[in-house]
Amino acid sequence: ETGVTQSPTHLIKTRGQQVTLRCSSQSGHNTVSWYQQALGQGPQFIFQYYREEENGRGNFPPRFSGLQFPNYSSELNVNALELDDSALYLCASSSGTSGRVRNTQYFGPGTRLTVL
Amino acid sequence: DAKTTQPNSMESNEEEPVHLPCNHSTISGTDYIHWYRQLPSQGPEYVIHGLTSNVNNRMASLAIAEDRKSSTLILHRATLRDAAVYYCILRAYMDSNYQLIWGAGTKLIIKP
Repeated sequence: ETGVTQSPTHLIKTRGQQVTLRCSSQSGHNTVSWYQQALGQGPQFIFQYYREEENGRGNFPPRFSGLQFPNYSSELNVNALELDDSALYLCASSSGTSGRVRNTQYFGPGTRLTVL
Repeated sequence: DAKTTQPNSMESNEEEPVHLPCNHSTISGTDYIHWYRQLPSQGPEYVIHGLTSNVNNRMASLAIAEDRKSSTLILHRATLRDAAVYYCILRAYMDSNYQLIWGAGTKLIIKP
């Protein structure tokens, strides 16, 4: 059984640029959630995708967007990067019939984004 | 708003039990209590979750107060590999959907 993988591991961008982060779900999982984790803090929920549709969103602006593909892998896109976007971005997959946050989430190792 | 409060850090000796407290006084009747842990340089890992009754699994036990305003994660025999940040989380309904609301966590230090 393959776990959740994320790419790239590390990324450096400059303010105003755009970035795409990728996540491959654990086999058999149809739900993907994305989190932002600033240094020394707990993860903050960005949004969740269930069967290719966004079905939950946290308090993040529209420049944070995502996609989920038919194989349930996912992308997180961030436009117009700001310095405060520097963080660890975590992807988590889970399985369920409704995509609700009811089942155990399995996390990837994260992508460390630095915005200069 | 759903919120959890945990000590910033705790120390324990190896092979002794560890009790990690969490306060969630604003919990609502349908909010589940989840615990995850995050080892250094890794993504979070599920530990346990519950609603009202105490719960046990191979990793830990979860003791939930009768009024549900606090809970305690119990590691029965801590090892060096249990050194991590432990997050007490509420699964709450916010912004028209269910979310996991994370706090800042407790850094658990295990002394050999």
